[in-house]
Parts: sequence; C-alpha cells; structure tokens
Amino acid sequence: KNQVEQSPQSLIILEGKNCTLQCNYTVSPFSNLRWYKQDTGRGPVSLTIMTFSENTKSNGRYTATLDADTKQSSLHITASQLSDSASYICVVSPGDQGGKLIFGQGTELSVKP
Amino acid sequence: SQTIHQWPATLVQPVGSPLSLECTVEGTSNPNLYWYRQAAGRGLQLLFYSVGIGQISSEVPQNLSASRPQDRQFILSSKKLLLSDSGFYLCAWSLLARAGELFFGEGSRLTVL
Repeated sequence: KNQVEQSPQSLIILEGKNCTLQCNYTVSPFSNLRWYKQDTGRGPVSLTIMTFSENTKSNGRYTATLDADTKQSSLHITASQLSDSASYICVVSPGDQGGKLIFGQGTELSVKP
Repeated sequence: SQTIHQWPATLVQPVGSPLSLECTVEGTSNPNLYWYRQAAGRGLQLLFYSVGIGQISSEVPQNLSASRPQDRQFILSSKKLLLSDSGFYLCAWSLLARAGELFFGEGSRLTVL
C-alpha cells in the first residue's frame, strides 16, 4: 500500500534554532517527492521537489534530502524564523498513476520567540 | 504567470442546504484540476480530479459532486450538506508535463451547522 508517514507530528522550537522534519514513504514506483509549506488557513506552497537521482536540494534556509534506497526524506530548516511556523507536508508522486499524489499527514511546526 | 482563484473563502451553511464552491485558473491551458478536503488535524484528501472539460473522477464516495463546465473552471457542489462536510476545501491545478507539482488556491473554510 502506498503510504507517506511524517514525523514528528508537531514540533516547537525557539527562534534561531535549526530543526529537521522526517518523511518515510512506501510508494512504488517512485517519481518525485515534494515538500510543501502550509500556513494556517492558506493553501500549501511547494518548497522543493526531488527526483530519484537527487540527494540534496536547497531553497534558502530550507534543505531537503532524499535517500531513495531507504525511502526517506528530510527537510532541514536553518536559523528558524517566526514565519516558519506552519504545517510542512511531504508529498510523493508515484510513477504509474498519472500524477495522483500520496500526501503525508504533515508536521506542525511552531517557532517561538 | 498562472494564478488560481477560489471562492468563497469562508462559508457557514445549515445542514441540508446546497453548496457551491468555485475555482478558476488563469494563465494556462488544459490544466489538471483537483478538489481536496483537509479536516482539522488531518492530511489532504483528494475528492475529485479532472483532466479535461466534462471529465470528472471521484476518489471517494461522498455527498459531494464536481463539474468542469469550462477548461479552467472547477466547481464543487452538494445538494444537501451534512455535518461531516465541514472542513477546509482546497482547489489545485497541475500540468501533465510537470506531474506532481500542484498549485493550490487559498482554500475555502466550510462550516456546516
């Protein structure tokens, strides 16, 4: 069964600290993996996309990693800011379902001053 | 540039009343269109997707229906709302050539009383 699991479910950190969010998936075949940021009451916005051959990709203070062998991805946030408070959603695209996506439940990040 | 508009942003409806949420995309042609629902504290659930005018696929049996009367217009409807229809509804679009990348609208918060 195609699944995407994220951990932790929620996380509270102090402003300026780093954090890492985890995503494990069992989706096969695999096409790509995306991390989305969803501010409260808003639609999700794509942060990064990673394909099978990519190990690391950065977008400002956000760095995503992908280990296609172990089917794990992480999103590292450096020097967190209050505006990083949001839900971070891991989304995997199977290679054989015409774009149907498998969503994780999300990690709720709260950055405190 | 492409934009997606979704309305209304907030809706409070009594049980048994009808529903119509509308979504339009600008700046692109023949997009794939999606309706998702996000219950409180839960992940995104795909409700409907459409690959063309009049072509609607339903992912889960439910009280809702969708229609695509024009290439860039996607409508979510119900004849009689249930309490369980409450949630955050998100419209999204993608291009087949970039399978997996979704661009979301701002969402519609529906409360059924």
